[in-house]
Amino acid sequence: GAGVSQTPSNKVTEKGKYVELRCDPISGHTALYWYRQSLGQGPEFLIYFQGTGAADDSGLPNDRFFAVRPEGSVSTLKIQRTERGDSAVYLCASSKTGTGVHEQYFGPGTRLTVT
Amino acid sequence: GENVEQHPSTLSVQEGDSAVIKCTYSDSASNYFPWYKQELGKRPQLIIDIRSNVGEKKDQRIAVTLNKTAKHFSLHITETQPEDSAVYFCSGGAGSYQLTFGKGTKLSVIP
Repeated sequence: GAGVSQTPSNKVTEKGKYVELRCDPISGHTALYWYRQSLGQGPEFLIYFQGTGAADDSGLPNDRFFAVRPEGSVSTLKIQRTERGDSAVYLCASSKTGTGVHEQYFGPGTRLTVT
Repeated sequence: GENVEQHPSTLSVQEGDSAVIKCTYSDSASNYFPWYKQELGKRPQLIIDIRSNVGEKKDQRIAVTLNKTAKHFSLHITETQPEDSAVYFCSGGAGSYQLTFGKGTKLSVIP
């Protein structure tokens, strides 16, 4: 079946602008994760959804970052007042569920560049 | 929270030789340790994982070992091939929902 998809693949925005990044998880996966990957680093956890609710948002760096998953499928990561330091690849992953141990399947990422 | 350290940051081996990547973790509650391979510009893909109730797991040319007492785990790739060239990330967590990743090892297999 189809894997995790993310749009757009690349996003260039000016400092101070608002951006939305979209993630379509694998069908039937109830758990969804957002990560941020800076150059030369491993993925850094941002937020985890189980169904529609954010079960853990402890990785969001500040209140400019927000994510939603209103129907328990597609998720949107929203960044307000973007800063140059927000430039990174934003990865989304999904798994069958967040409890227990299940493989996380990653999307291709959205490369965000803030100029 | 969990802290995962990974070494080396870069590794070059001749084709056919073995490669070993080592990681340590800090949180004794962590019980799940997946390894991901990321080719340039591509998404991370799971290559092998290990749970804390076993000490070793093998899948063809890839093996992972786990020492819970010392809080370290390692990835072993035997008979390396050029297509093994990529960045490898170790990770750990208490269950799969919140993984902490290492900084990655760039493996280059020289033909």
